[in-house]
Amino acid sequence: NAGVMQNPRHLVRRRGQEARLRCSPMKGHSHVYWYRQLPEEGLKFMVYLQKENIIDESGMPKERFSAEFPKEGPSILRIQQVVRGDSAAYFCASSPGLADYNEQFFGPGTRLTVL
Amino acid sequence: GENVGLHLPTLSVQEGDNSIINCAYSNSASDYFIWYKQESGKGPQFIIDIRSNMDKRQGQRVTVLLNKTVKHLSLQIAATQPGDSAVYFCAENEEGGGFKTIFGAGTRLFVKA
Repeated sequence: NAGVMQNPRHLVRRRGQEARLRCSPMKGHSHVYWYRQLPEEGLKFMVYLQKENIIDESGMPKERFSAEFPKEGPSILRIQQVVRGDSAAYFCASSPGLADYNEQFFGPGTRLTVL
Repeated sequence: GENVGLHLPTLSVQEGDNSIINCAYSNSASDYFIWYKQESGKGPQFIIDIRSNMDKRQGQRVTVLLNKTVKHLSLQIAATQPGDSAVYFCAENEEGGGFKTIFGAGTRLFVKA
């Protein structure tokens, strides 16, 4: 019974390149959440998606960042033209979305380093 | 700023002692609270949750207390073990849970053998 999977676990990019982070939710989960964590800080909500729909993207920077959760395949967090300030750990979580209160199960994270 | 914050950034306890980690929140409309444990290099791991219609909930070696009057949340760990060393986050869910979890800054727990 696999948990939430994220890949790659570590990603190094030079300034100006694109970063693509992938998240496969737990089996049966249709809700996906992305969070960003800077060192020694808590997780900051970025975006909440259901299959083929963005429900809340209030935590996403207005430029360069986008997220999708297609009908088939993993959820993708895409960062275009990365800058050093994008260096962080990015965590994905999933939940079944069947009840009012849904425990979110977190993946191991992708650590992005921008050189 | 964040709705959820912590009183103590670090806590050092002796193995076998009880640990208490505190958290304050400011959004009186929050109705679902969660404690997460995060070990180095890993994602947050769910420990225990509590709804706003409760003031106490117990798990295995852990207890969460919720005081809505003063908007305070605490996590008690009984007989703390070296494996409990981690960063602990309190978090609140807006709009009934399962949605946009707001995390506090975290408390680092050191367990001395």
